[in-house]
Amino acid sequence: AQRVTQPEKLLSVFKGAPVELKCNYSYSGSPELFWYVQYSRQRLQLLLRHISRESIKGFTADLNKGETSFHLKKPFAQEEDSAMYYCALSRNSGNTPLVFGKGTRLSVIA
Amino acid sequence: EPEVTQTPSHQVTQMGQEVILRCVPISNHLYFYWYRQILGQKVEFLVSFYNNEISEKSEIFDDQFSVERPDGSNFTLKIRSTKLEDSAMYFCATRQRGSADTQYFGPGTRLTVL
Repeated sequence: AQRVTQPEKLLSVFKGAPVELKCNYSYSGSPELFWYVQYSRQRLQLLLRHISRESIKGFTADLNKGETSFHLKKPFAQEEDSAMYYCALSRNSGNTPLVFGKGTRLSVIA
Repeated sequence: EPEVTQTPSHQVTQMGQEVILRCVPISNHLYFYWYRQILGQKVEFLVSFYNNEISEKSEIFDDQFSVERPDGSNFTLKIRSTKLEDSAMYFCATRQRGSADTQYFGPGTRLTVL
């Protein structure tokens, strides 16, 4: 069975400080990892996925298979980054559902 | 940019009543999903649907639940006899094709069972 763990329910940082949202996963196969974001009163939207290896809104995430982690990082937090962030996994085998972590609420303080 | 839409945004019902939640997928999307999120808990997968049949379902998706695409556009989730513990946000998600494509989520329907 797959499992995604986000150990922090709430993370508060000051504007301009670095951010790291932790995500660990458990899956015996070769997963695909995602970060979804939900801004206040908006829908879940994809922030980034590990196969793209791109930076979105200054955020990056690297898949570390040895540590089974996919932490989300940003060097300088901005107030508009305040949101719920969900790490998710899917089995890399076609039409498979997402398994979500519980989410971390990021609060960026001015 | 096209979006997944869901109706209603909020549904209040009495325990034991049937509810139907509706989703309109993005037009060229072929794969459809329902997820739910009980307040304070994680988003959980319910069911996936492709080519007019269920592809996969979770343990949550028992005989009280059903899905269909009755008219080729709407994708519905029916709960036959609601229970208090069915109170949750229900999200529809759709995907175009191929394992590399992103799932796009609707805004959700908040179901409250009294």
